[in-house]
Amino acid sequence: QQQVKQSPQSLIVQKGGISIINCAYENTAFDYFPWYQQFPGKGPALLIAIRPDVSEKKEGRFTISFNKSAKQFSLHIMDSQPGDSATYFCAASTNAGGTSYGKLTFGQGTILTVHP
Amino acid sequence: DSGVTQTPKHLITATGQRVTLRCSPRSGDLSVYWYQQSLDQGLQFLIHYYNGEERAKGNILERFSAQQFPDLHSELNLSSLELGDSALYFCASSVGRANTEAFFGQGTRLTVV
Repeated sequence: QQQVKQSPQSLIVQKGGISIINCAYENTAFDYFPWYQQFPGKGPALLIAIRPDVSEKKEGRFTISFNKSAKQFSLHIMDSQPGDSATYFCAASTNAGGTSYGKLTFGQGTILTVHP
Repeated sequence: DSGVTQTPKHLITATGQRVTLRCSPRSGDLSVYWYQQSLDQGLQFLIHYYNGEERAKGNILERFSAQQFPDLHSELNLSSLELGDSALYFCASSVGRANTEAFFGQGTRLTVV
């Protein structure tokens, strides 16, 4: 119930295209859903995050779509650029007490390659 | 730069040894989290401290321990090291107890030989 399932494992997109990465969760107590971007040799960097009271959040070229009833959320990268080539992780956490309190549960990651 | 500082960046040590990884959180952040990243397990939560107190534990081995000091920096101690402990260890910090933006350091790459 603690898992966050992410797909696809890898994604190749042409420059200017739309990259879409999907995540699904089971724990209905999750109430915070961030996305992280990680370049080789670097730590994950927070890209954008959403809470379940909204269905969509946009920041620049990055948009999170959230479907609470389906327990799914996705990251859309518009006008994808070669500089976006990185590994992307979705994550989820809960403000409820217990052993899950505060921790981020990560998806397995998606390696995005944007060709020029 | 996330503002989270981890030292050392790289560490090579032998099996059976003990090492200490250090993390300085962003100024003002009271929470420190430790994560382990490996190819087969992905990013796994180890432990969370908030203002000096342990708040949550993940699948942290008994050979591993951590603490957060009064100045809010944190140390992760790994002992009786095994080859399988080779991984990237990340520290993250956030201002609140939960569900606030967490910022990651650059990580410590541990290689056990």
